[in-house]
Amino acid sequence: DAKTTQPTSMDCAEGRAANLPCNHSTISGNEYVYWYRQIHSQGPQYIIHGLKNNETNEMASLIITEDRKSSTLILPHATLRDTAVYYCIAGTASKLTFGTGTRLQVTL
Amino acid sequence: GAVVSQHPSWVICKSGTSVKIECRSLDFQATTMFWYRQFPKQSLMLMATSNEGSKATYEQGVEKDKFLINHASLTLSTLTVTSAHPEDSSFYICSASGRASYGYTFGSGTRLTVV
Repeated sequence: DAKTTQPTSMDCAEGRAANLPCNHSTISGNEYVYWYRQIHSQGPQYIIHGLKNNETNEMASLIITEDRKSSTLILPHATLRDTAVYYCIAGTASKLTFGTGTRLQVTL
Repeated sequence: GAVVSQHPSWVICKSGTSVKIECRSLDFQATTMFWYRQFPKQSLMLMATSNEGSKATYEQGVEKDKFLINHASLTLSTLTVTSAHPEDSSFYICSASGRASYGYTFGSGTRLTVV
């Protein structure tokens, strides 16, 4: 899996959009970008994934740069329940390697 | 859809005993399941890849004789921590590759405490 770099922590006001960046400059052509989040003492929850096109689902949007070296996860209207550690992973179906993630704190 | 059930959610055992953790895919068949371990305030570390009907593939540094993995059916994988010691106390999480639209689905984790 390609190495990913994420900020250690971020804050976001409730109701505002949370934009979480991720660098994956060594990503190879067959590796997807996956985003998961982990709320304290629970298993990770799948959010979204993509290969090179931007993706959107009911939880979030994923913006991947044209050169695929970085991406941004967007939570359009963050709530307190979105407080979690967010993991960006560049990998294939064979296995997922987790980095340290970004701890997102949503505040009132 | 794409639900993975993990049992038990927590367990306390005495040092030297063995503990079995189950991971089930409830509504899909999973030819491959993954086992992770997570220590407090750390990220998830992949321990092994469990393949239905064949031997598991262990990551470097993970003792295969200590962490026994069995994937006897397309919906069940088990992790047995043998001769557990306090340093094995951790949060163990399984995941399964399901339908592509859901990515990987994770279980809720098992908190193991060895006393």
